[in-house]
Amino acid sequence: GQNIDQPTEMTATEGAIVQINCTYQTSGFNGLFWYQQHAGEAPTFLSYNVLDGLEEKGRFSSFLSRSKGYSYLLLKELQMKDSASYLCAVRDRSYGGSQGNLIFGKGTKLSVKP
Amino acid sequence: DVKVTQSSRYLVKRTGEKVFLECVQDMDHENMFWYRQDPGLGLRLIYFSYDVKMKEKGDIPEGYSVSREKKERFSLILESASTNQTSMYLCASSLRGDQPQHFGDGTRLSIL
Repeated sequence: GQNIDQPTEMTATEGAIVQINCTYQTSGFNGLFWYQQHAGEAPTFLSYNVLDGLEEKGRFSSFLSRSKGYSYLLLKELQMKDSASYLCAVRDRSYGGSQGNLIFGKGTKLSVKP
Repeated sequence: DVKVTQSSRYLVKRTGEKVFLECVQDMDHENMFWYRQDPGLGLRLIYFSYDVKMKEKGDIPEGYSVSREKKERFSLILESASTNQTSMYLCASSLRGDQPQHFGDGTRLSIL
């Protein structure tokens, strides 16, 4: 079966670093996406990993280990505007059509405190 | 920038009505998707389409149908709305499967 796990909620302090973990079990892994979603708004794309290692994009970095079925999103120098839900989504070639659709985790709600 | 436009941000309908949710993208994307998002359940795929006239069921297609007559437009239809279809509906599009999906602003649909 397919399963994606991420913590439900996290709290961190402005200026700090926070790591949001995502573990997955899929039969046809073919890439992992991270999205940010502010309350009442649409998800927006943050990062994409298909090979093992770290992808850095400004204050945000994403890491993937395919052998461990594990990814994390690292947010540095936290700002109040980073308070949002963060969605982990795995592309599975055995799910849906020929291109492999996304399976979304339930999301991690991050609260940044002053 | 990719623009995915959903016809309504908020919609209130009555039980038994036929409801149309429209989605238009302006980037010539092949793939389009309809999801619903509910607290504690995350994003669930209702229907998707990889090409004009093509449609396939996602995880929760019951009570819904879709139409893709033109590449840029993907419509979700609630055949006979029920209260358990009250939800946030999100449309998304992507160029290919390995490219990110871009989401519309969502339609918060209430069925009374």
